[in-house]
Amino acid sequence: DVKVTQSSRYLVKRTGEKVFLECVQDMDHENMFWYRQDPGLGLRLIYFSYDVKMKEKGDIPEGYSVSREKKERFSLILESASTNQTSMYLCASSDIDQETQYFGPGTRLLVL
Amino acid sequence: GNSVTQMEGPVTLSEEAFLTINCTYTATGYPSLFWYVQYPGEGLQLLLKATKADDKGSNKGFEATYRKETTSFHLEKGSVQVSDSAVYFCALRSSNYQLIWGAGTKLIIKP
Repeated sequence: DVKVTQSSRYLVKRTGEKVFLECVQDMDHENMFWYRQDPGLGLRLIYFSYDVKMKEKGDIPEGYSVSREKKERFSLILESASTNQTSMYLCASSDIDQETQYFGPGTRLLVL
Repeated sequence: GNSVTQMEGPVTLSEEAFLTINCTYTATGYPSLFWYVQYPGEGLQLLLKATKADDKGSNKGFEATYRKETTSFHLEKGSVQVSDSAVYFCALRSSNYQLIWGAGTKLIIKP
């Protein structure tokens, strides 16, 4: 069965902290994605990766960076967390034709 | 540019009612269209999809038909259940293979 896991379901951080969100998929997928989900705005793409060590900016990359050192793992990094980064973060993966994306359960991040 | 517009929620229905959630899109070419569902406390999962005009996607009693002439992909179900309460997202696959998402529609089914 397809599985995407995220390191935390809930996180509380303070402004200025460095935050790491980890995502692991077990489907040998080439593509991985980080989104944030906010009420009324749907899903907005932060970054995606189509191969190990490759990354592309999405629609809202400012304030975020990513790392993909291994095929199965895609990390989202908030270099200096701010209150406007309080959100639900969703990781997804897909195979090379990207017809279907598989999502993790999400990490709800609160920045105080 | 590419975009997806879906009806605002929440949509509140009684059990066994007929459901329609509207979705229209703007895109160049002929994108694949998707409906994803997010149950409470869970990640999104694919509900159904259609890859070309006049295709009908279906799953779990839900259906949606790819209408090129009206650029629409409305989600329908004949008789909803309490377990269908969730947030539903319409999406299209753009020419650079990313998914473009609608804002989501929250569906509440009352027993």
